Amino acid sequence: AQSVTQLGSHVSVSEGALVLLRCNYSSSVPPYLFWYVQYPNQGLQLLLKYTSAATLVKGINGFEAEFKKSETSFHLTKPSAHMSDAAEYFCAVSDRGNQFYFGTGTSLTVIP
Amino acid sequence: DAGVIQSPRHEVTEMGQEVTLRCKPISGHNSLFWYRQTMMRGLELLIYFNNNVPIDDSGMPEDRFSAKMPNASFSTLKIQPSEPRDSAVYFCASSLRGGGTYNEQFFGPGTRLTVL
Repeated sequence: AQSVTQLGSHVSVSEGALVLLRCNYSSSVPPYLFWYVQYPNQGLQLLLKYTSAATLVKGINGFEAEFKKSETSFHLTKPSAHMSDAAEYFCAVSDRGNQFYFGTGTSLTVIP
Repeated sequence: DAGVIQSPRHEVTEMGQEVTLRCKPISGHNSLFWYRQTMMRGLELLIYFNNNVPIDDSGMPEDRFSAKMPNASFSTLKIQPSEPRDSAVYFCASSLRGGGTYNEQFFGPGTRLTVL
């Protein structure tokens, strides 16, 4: 079975500070892993994905995530937060079949 | 590509009325998903289709909910009769399964449903 746990439903950072959003997964097969972002009143947009190539994945808007098999983690980071990064972030795992398993989301607030 | 298209974007209706939400997936995609998002329950998968066939509808909350996909370019989610607790944002997503893809889902902008 597959599942995703996002630690921290709300994260606040100062503008310019490091962003770290945590995601741990459970999968019975080598997974595909994804991060999505949802801006207010919009749908989910793919930020980046891990598909068993490089373990450090770079996405849009300066975000990146590192796949760590030993820790079953796929944390999302950005070196310097911008006000425009304020949004809801979802981690998701796919068992390489058709279904995604989404985490409960982390709301990121950026403090000026 | 126009992306996933959903209509209407907003729907306000009264309890007991029938509501129909519509979705046009990305051309060429063979899988379609309906999700519901609320503050209390987060993002929930309601049903998904592969090649227009419903595969898993275990997330459909009640018999009041039904979904169809008559062809590869159109799907509907119907609620009859609607209740205030159905108020939520409903998302449609599509993906291309197989052919060397990674099954990432592309989401529409959602339909915000309010049942009074």
